[in-house]
Amino acid sequence: EVQLVESGGGLVQPGGSLRLSCAASGFSFSSYEMNWVRQAPGKGLEWVSYISSSGGATYYADSVKGRFTISRDNAKNSLYLQMNSVRVEDTAVYYCAREVGAGDAYDIWGQGTMVTVSS
Amino acid sequence: QSVLTQPPSVSAAPGQIVTISCSGSSSNIGNNYVSWYQQLPGTAPKLLIYDNYKRPSGIPDRFSGSKSGTSATLGITGLQTGDEADYYCGAWDSSLSGYVFGTGTKVTVL
Repeated sequence: EVQLVESGGGLVQPGGSLRLSCAASGFSFSSYEMNWVRQAPGKGLEWVSYISSSGGATYYADSVKGRFTISRDNAKNSLYLQMNSVRVEDTAVYYCAREVGAGDAYDIWGQGTMVTVSS
Repeated sequence: QSVLTQPPSVSAAPGQIVTISCSGSSSNIGNNYVSWYQQLPGTAPKLLIYDNYKRPSGIPDRFSGSKSGTSATLGITGLQTGDEADYYCGAWDSSLSGYVFGTGTKVTVL
């Protein structure tokens, strides 16, 4: 079964750090570009970051640029999001998503992991 | 702040047709592919349409997508109670070098 499973969410204080993980199974992880998408409580979807299949190219939303770092370990079929200097407004469910097609569509999503930034 | 604009809500009776618009610009919809996602309450989003009009395996042909200029439309025919959800459009934005989602539309089956 093709699956993505996120972990690492939790409660963190403003200014703190957190590392999210996404474990992939059921497909050739190293062949796919991957993304992180988040959703604040009661709000819409917000794209966070992209990484190419090799890890050589990354992109970030302006809201997280310079604070978050996306990475992957193809040998471990895993995607990561290092979150530093977190802010209250980073509170959200974070999803990892597989990218397909010519147009950057996200066809496989994890169940999400909740990150709460609060003192 | 979303750069793709959708109506906040649409509604129709079972069996009817609804359309959801998604308005953008030349940097996103105008020159890139559009995707559509369905998010049922409490669940992760699900891909409905990719590359403007293509349906992933398992998505019924009641769902359709189209694009014209800087706007895109999702159509749902034969509306069912199980279609009650939030729907989002999305596209790569070449100016932002990032993916943008629409503001989201809540579909209600009357």
